[in-house]
Amino acid sequence: ELKVEQNPLFLSMQEGKNYTIYCNYSTTSDRLYWYRQDPGKSLESLFVLLSNGAVKQEGRLMASLDTKARLSTLHITAAVHDLSATYFCAVDMGSSGDKLTFGTGTRLAVRP
Amino acid sequence: NAGVMQNPRHLVRRRGQEARLRCSPMKGHSHVYWYRQLPEEGLKFMVYLQKENIIDESGMPKERFSAEFPKEGPSILRIQQVVRGDSAAYFCASSELQGYGYTFGSGTRLTVV
Repeated sequence: ELKVEQNPLFLSMQEGKNYTIYCNYSTTSDRLYWYRQDPGKSLESLFVLLSNGAVKQEGRLMASLDTKARLSTLHITAAVHDLSATYFCAVDMGSSGDKLTFGTGTRLAVRP
Repeated sequence: NAGVMQNPRHLVRRRGQEARLRCSPMKGHSHVYWYRQLPEEGLKFMVYLQKENIIDESGMPKERFSAEFPKEGPSILRIQQVVRGDSAAYFCASSELQGYGYTFGSGTRLTVV
């Protein structure tokens, strides 16, 4: 059974600081997703990472994938309050799979 | 394109009643997935459907829960004889291709009182 673990579960950081969220998964996977969820809202797709060494950046967020280590990271640069949300990674099995397995989420709070 | 439409947004049911949750996928998407999110947790897969077919229901409880995606109309997730433990947010996602490019709806928040 595929397991996906995120850490930290909760992250409180000051504006302007950098930090990284980690996502480990237990078995080989073709695709890894990062989503953002604001309280009471749906999931907003941030990144889809398809291959080993993939790196994608959007604004202050950068995601990377190491399929050999079964690890993805979401790096936050110079955090701002608007980034406060819960971030989920999710993994699927690719062509042989049909569902996403989500991590537990990282709740990010950015303080002034 | 209106995106994935779910209704109702909020649903309150008394224990023992039935809950019906509806999901209309994005135009052109024939793959529908239902997920459940308990408070403070990640989403858990329930069921994957294509038109008129259930492809994978491995995440759905064997009793009281059922899902369909008819030829015409939205996908329906039905929960019979609801219990307090069914209180959660239920999200629907759709995709054009199997297992790729998921778009999530806004969810239905079910409260069982």
